[in-house]
Amino acid sequence: KAGVTQTPRYLIKTRGQQVTLSCSPISGHRSVSWYQQTPGQGLQFLFEYFSETQRNKGNFPGRFSGRQFSNSRSEMNVSTLELGDSALYLCASSDTGTGRLNEQFFGPGTRLTVL
Amino acid sequence: AQTVTQSQPEMSVQEAETVTLSCTYDTSENNYYLFWYKQPPSRQMILVIRQEAYKQQNATENRFSVNFQKAAKSFSLKISDSQLGDTAMYFCAFMKHAGSEKLVFGKGMKLTVNP
Repeated sequence: KAGVTQTPRYLIKTRGQQVTLSCSPISGHRSVSWYQQTPGQGLQFLFEYFSETQRNKGNFPGRFSGRQFSNSRSEMNVSTLELGDSALYLCASSDTGTGRLNEQFFGPGTRLTVL
Repeated sequence: AQTVTQSQPEMSVQEAETVTLSCTYDTSENNYYLFWYKQPPSRQMILVIRQEAYKQQNATENRFSVNFQKAAKSFSLKISDSQLGDTAMYFCAFMKHAGSEKLVFGKGMKLTVNP
């Protein structure tokens, strides 16, 4: 099976712009989670989608949003970009929903730089 | 809220030696899951080992083993016979329960294995 893919891998934006990142989970996985990784704050959970519904949400402002499509692919959007949004954004997928613990498989990440 | 603490920011070890990475966490939950993830310079997050809190037996995966002390809320990772490929950032992570899919990460520890 192909692994988790994220596009684009690198992105440069300017303050005030908006950006959309994409994540394609492993085939058959219905849960997609997003994390932000920065040197200062480390890895922080953004949100999780399962069967097109947001199931968990982290402590991020409303500028950060996401969605999931019927094929489980997910997008996250950041509006009105700030310099502090520069980070590695990681996506993870898992085959869950049954209450069993399943491994989360991470993608290679999207490196966002805000100038 | 759960917190995960990795007090050692950086360690180095000689190839073939054994090294222990420490992690403590704080939670009021009784059943939960703990993980060690590895992030090499490629930035790909890889699951190393996981532990269910209700299991008293410490998890083992080849050269990797954990020392899980539930009462002390301690979860250390032991790497035996260190290899150059073990050089990476190591993150300790907590998950509240199966199906929550929200990982709470520690700040990470940079491990360097020297030849």
